[in-house]
Amino acid sequence: GESVGLHLPTLSVQEGDNSIINCAYSNSASDYFIWYKQESGKGPQFIIDIRSNMDKRQGQRVTVLLNKTVKHLSLQIAATQPGDSAVYFCAENINTGGFKTIFGAGTRLFVKA
Amino acid sequence: ETGVTQTPRHLVMGMTNKKSLKCEQHLGHNAMYWYKQSAKKPLELMFVYNFKEQTENNSVPSRFSPECPNSSHLFLHLHTLQPEDSALYLCASSPKKGPSETQYFGPGTRLLVL
Repeated sequence: GESVGLHLPTLSVQEGDNSIINCAYSNSASDYFIWYKQESGKGPQFIIDIRSNMDKRQGQRVTVLLNKTVKHLSLQIAATQPGDSAVYFCAENINTGGFKTIFGAGTRLFVKA
Repeated sequence: ETGVTQTPRHLVMGMTNKKSLKCEQHLGHNAMYWYKQSAKKPLELMFVYNFKEQTENNSVPSRFSPECPNSSHLFLHLHTLQPEDSALYLCASSPKKGPSETQYFGPGTRLLVL
């Protein structure tokens, strides 16, 4: 089947700690993955992406890891800050020759000061 | 600000009303998208326009009618909606159509159908 799901609906971390948000996908034809951040009252904001020919990609304070063997995607946020509090969701693009992106349900990240 | 604006930000309508949502992007992009975000449900792609031409319609009911008069503007015309259509409707744009093109989202229109 086709599904993108998040393991945990909420995550609470202490300011300064690292955060790890997980995502599972089930379609082997997925070739591109994106992480979005959505703050309250705003639209989703692109954070980082990764193609299926990579297993790791780093950005500013964020790292995405892709494990195609177990169809697992994770977002790591280093030194989590209060401004990181938001809903994070992953998305996968299924390579059908067309445009088919499936979004995960989202994980709400709370950062405690 | 992302460069994508949506109006109105909030809308309440009855099932017999006709209303329109407007999206405008100031980024010079050529692709625009409509998404639906329901409470506790994943984001769902509705329509895709590339250079003013509709290229995707993800089995959206005909009570939702998109319009793209130019690459900067996108409308979603609503008529005879159902209560289950209540959701946040998000517009996005990207330089061109493609899943690897970074999409810039507007703040959304929160719609309540009574």
